[in-house]
Amino acid sequence: ILNVEQSPQSLHVQEGDSTNFTCSFPSSNFYALHWYRWETAKSPEALFVMTLNGDEKKKGRISATLNTKEGYSYLYIKGSQPEDSATYLCASRTAGGYNKLIFGAGTRLAVHP
Amino acid sequence: DTEVTQTPKHLVMGMTNKKSLKCEQHMGHRAMYWYKQKAKKPPELMFVYSYEKLSINESVPSRFSPECPNSSLLNLHLHALQPEDSALYLCASSQGGGKRDRISDTQYFGPGTRLTVL
Repeated sequence: ILNVEQSPQSLHVQEGDSTNFTCSFPSSNFYALHWYRWETAKSPEALFVMTLNGDEKKKGRISATLNTKEGYSYLYIKGSQPEDSATYLCASRTAGGYNKLIFGAGTRLAVHP
Repeated sequence: DTEVTQTPKHLVMGMTNKKSLKCEQHMGHRAMYWYKQKAKKPPELMFVYSYEKLSINESVPSRFSPECPNSSLLNLHLHALQPEDSALYLCASSQGGGKRDRISDTQYFGPGTRLTVL
């Protein structure tokens, strides 16, 4: 994998559903993986920075896991709420240089009441 | 305060105009970034400033000219743009300012400037 890829591109769920999406990134020279939450007309908000293989981070109902050997991260949302509706971006940073992030195109989540 | 501010929010300009985008942060961060995002595409890095010096230029055309007058302020000067330059321009900052900044260094983003070139 040369680029950062996210799937699905968009997702519609009902309030109360749990959901998850995937970020695939180059595993060679891996340094860190960032997740952002981006609501329309607002600033992207940092959710997690993950660095170690097997890492798991949690913030409220949102959690993320990291597999650096195979180059993927999952983001989980438990019991989705309408306020979770946003675009979720992941970004990979490789070793050896400045803090240069390569972003995926994002997963657009819509949670319906 | 983890706020990065950007002005203006929206900008419409002709191909012969000269305009500037402004970004400001007061978190004491030493690195600042410009990204460009086209609709449904990933944000793409344009420039990185570290300790007020240009560290990365991702082969950006010279019609985009960045400037970092001080550690809190980052400008992007625009001249003779093309309609395909229409996009959302995002600014970000991070605490570390060099190649050896912390592995966990988070970039904090502004809300962006929506640019339309006619």
